[in-house]
Amino acid sequence: QKEVEQDPGPLSVPEGAIVSLNCTYSNSAFQYFMWYRQYSRKGPELLMYTYSSGNKEDGRFTAQVDKSSKYISLFIRDSQPSDSATYLCAMSGRGVTGGFKTIFGAGTRLFVKA
Amino acid sequence: SQTIHQWPATLVQPVGSPLSLECTVEGTSNPNLYWYRQAAGRGLQLLFYSVGIGQISSEVPQNLSASRPQDRQFILSSKKLLLSDSGFYLCAWSTTGAPSYEQYFGPGTRLTVT
Repeated sequence: QKEVEQDPGPLSVPEGAIVSLNCTYSNSAFQYFMWYRQYSRKGPELLMYTYSSGNKEDGRFTAQVDKSSKYISLFIRDSQPSDSATYLCAMSGRGVTGGFKTIFGAGTRLFVKA
Repeated sequence: SQTIHQWPATLVQPVGSPLSLECTVEGTSNPNLYWYRQAAGRGLQLLFYSVGIGQISSEVPQNLSASRPQDRQFILSSKKLLLSDSGFYLCAWSTTGAPSYEQYFGPGTRLTVT
């Protein structure tokens, strides 16, 4: 079983739609949960991160973590064509050797049509 | 403000040739540095990370190596490239002493081995 599972998409939505992006994970030691946005042929940029369970909102973006279900989500409200990108989830915590590690999902490609 | 540079942006190399990719960070001291590879449709694979000059940890055994000759310089090398080394190589940094959840990525180098 992979440590992080993320549907690669592509996900195509009309402008103005609410987008839901999700990841599941298996390691209960993860404590930090991040979402990165990556435009084509560019490096990923950190969108937002959440510590432990709960919600975090930043403008049109809301990150949600459910540690009991090992499930994280990113919601984008009023999606815009400029939101078209690949969204990678990531999570950090103590690995089996005790060191801190970060694991990335494969990314979901999102297309927002004007 | 902090910036991270990578070069070259694109590279086409024949099988068996050497490789040297360079990454430099500006505006911060003693950062943690990372090399990732991103294959098409797959997540970011951590290759190496460094917490200081001359201190390199390898995550995946392969024909690549990394060096950190200066505080804010990170180099990825290979003596003989394989076809499987093709991919998008990303350098990233995070603040020293902090968990690695907040990483900042460079623009990447797209390597094609022919």
